[in-house]
Amino acid sequence: KQEVTQIPAALSVPEGENLVLNCSFTDSAIYNLQWFRQDPGKGLTSLLLIQSSQREQTSGRLNASLDKSSGRSTLYIAASQPGDSATYLCAVNTGTASKLTFGTGTRLQVTL
Amino acid sequence: NAGVTQTPKFQVLKTGQSMTLQCAQDMNHEYMSWYRQDPGMGLRLIHYSVGAGITDQGEVPNGYNVSRSTTEDFPLRLLSAAPSQTSVYFCASSYDKKPGGYTFGSGTRLTVV
Repeated sequence: KQEVTQIPAALSVPEGENLVLNCSFTDSAIYNLQWFRQDPGKGLTSLLLIQSSQREQTSGRLNASLDKSSGRSTLYIAASQPGDSATYLCAVNTGTASKLTFGTGTRLQVTL
Repeated sequence: NAGVTQTPKFQVLKTGQSMTLQCAQDMNHEYMSWYRQDPGMGLRLIHYSVGAGITDQGEVPNGYNVSRSTTEDFPLRLLSAAPSQTSVYFCASSYDKKPGGYTFGSGTRLTVV
């Protein structure tokens, strides 16, 4: 059974700092990995999708990497802003009918 | 606007009542699924569908039914609500075999008293 772990569970950083969020998974036979953002009381917004054949994806200040062999992904946020404050979720798609297995998320707070 | 639409946004039920959570997508996605989100437990898959007329169970299916009569709609039925079903429910959809990833609805917050 696939298990996904996100570390740390919570993180508080001052504005402008670069930061890394970690995601690890137990079964390396994945189809893709997706990072989501969730604001309090809201739905999930897709940030980045990395296919199993890719090593990284970039969107603006966000960069996600994938190391399938070691079962790890990282989400790098450059020059953090207060608007980045949210919970970040990592989800692994094992390819079986596109079922996602989620981590419990990292709650990020960026302070002024 | 294209996307996944869930209704209602909020619902309070009494124990034993039944109800249907609605989900519709207009992106012609083959895959649709229902997740519940509970504090400290992340999102867990309830039921999923790979196309019209085809559904299957996820990780936590007990107490829920689904059907998929059209590509667009994937309702989730609570047969006899229990307090343990108090949660936030999310519907999601994606293409089959295309690298588009998942699109999520805005959620339904359900309280069973």
